Amino acid sequence: ETGVTQTPRHLVMGMTNKKSLKCEQHLGHNAMYWYKQSAKKPLELMFVYNFKEQTENNSVPSRFSPECPNSSHLFLHLHTLQPEDSALYLCASSQGARGRGADTQYFGPGTRLTVL
Amino acid sequence: DQQVKQNSPSLSVQEGRISILNCDYTNSMFDYFLWYKKYPAEGPTFLISISSIKDKNEDGRFTVFLNKSAKHLSLHIVPSQPGDSAVYFCAGSGSARQLTFGSGTQLTVLP
Repeated sequence: ETGVTQTPRHLVMGMTNKKSLKCEQHLGHNAMYWYKQSAKKPLELMFVYNFKEQTENNSVPSRFSPECPNSSHLFLHLHTLQPEDSALYLCASSQGARGRGADTQYFGPGTRLTVL
Repeated sequence: DQQVKQNSPSLSVQEGRISILNCDYTNSMFDYFLWYKKYPAEGPTFLISISSIKDKNEDGRFTVFLNKSAKHLSLHIVPSQPGDSAVYFCAGSGSARQLTFGSGTQLTVLP
């Protein structure tokens, strides 16, 4: 596997379910990100991890819970979601904040989440 | 407050012609700008970037122009090909080296 992978690609869940999204990067990067993309809106940054430490939480509701066990893996745990949380959830990775120049992010294919 | 704006949600261009995608920003602290391309059912892929100290960067058919005084950047694709049909996002990067994205422009290249 190369690049950034995400599983599952599609997920349908009820509001009372608990599920997790998984992201894995094979690029040797030190930073990982979760984004939410809703229709016709910019990508919204949710969480940032640099060297396994969470460095950003953009006022995301607590029903979204990230976990970064190591610099290659990132999870997003979901519980008691709302229908308005239905969106494309994208994971990305980059060299990280300790580098120089543009910290280009590389994205996974995303998980299309539908909350019923 | 949207710091990066792409005011044209869509653009159609004839194959072989030039595509010009525009982006405006309000945050003068951005020191890099990046363009990403996104196909349906895929994540965004990095296309080209430009440092805020430059006014032009070219990579093959893709050229990005930056006008700092106008807080405006544009992506030129010449010649446009049907495979270029995708959503294009511009993004600004500041001191924290995180990206702030625009809402995207759907480019359709007509054969």
